[in-house]
Amino acid sequence: DAGVIQSPRHEVTEMGQEVTLRCKPISGHDYLFWYRQTMMRGLELLIYFNNNVPIDDSGMPEDRFSAKMPNASFSTLKIQPSEPRDSAVYFCASSLRVGGAQYFGPGTRLLVL
Amino acid sequence: KNQVEQSPQSLIILEGKNCTLQCNYTVSPFSNLRWYKQDTGRGPVSLTIMTFSENTKSNGRYTATLDADTKQSSLHITASQLSDSASYICVVSAIGNEKLTFGTGTRLTIIP
Repeated sequence: DAGVIQSPRHEVTEMGQEVTLRCKPISGHDYLFWYRQTMMRGLELLIYFNNNVPIDDSGMPEDRFSAKMPNASFSTLKIQPSEPRDSAVYFCASSLRVGGAQYFGPGTRLLVL
Repeated sequence: KNQVEQSPQSLIILEGKNCTLQCNYTVSPFSNLRWYKQDTGRGPVSLTIMTFSENTKSNGRYTATLDADTKQSSLHITASQLSDSASYICVVSAIGNEKLTFGTGTRLTIIP
């Protein structure tokens, strides 16, 4: 298996633009997680899905952030409109079961100017 | 509130030396504790997992310990190598909860 796949790996955009991050989890994993990592706050859970259904989105910072999982092999995290404080590395992770190891993708490094 | 604290924040040691990283947690009810290694520019990778009944677990030159009574864990690295330079993150999960509690990590630098 190729592991968790994320795209793009890097994104530079201007404030106010829409940003869409993409993730393909490991096949057969029922859980998918979106994280944000910054130097100041470390890794923060934004939202997670179980069997394509959003379970907990309490970590989503505000309404500008939205996430979808239309099927078991694809998820998106969208920021609209983007702001400079959204600059961070965004990770997608998947796991097979409750409490199981989470396998992280390589991340998307986002810079909002 | 569930919390995980790690120390030190950063550590620099000479190649070949040993080191120990610390993790204190207040996650309840405790399910398991993992140590992740995160290389620069990459996602975290799980090194070890420890459940309530386990005191020590090794993975090559990495040895993790867990004291469930004091809610402390340590990661000991033996005979460090340049490739050990990374951030090490302590992650604790609660029973029946997929949400993990992350420490802020220890940044380890190995110098030749």
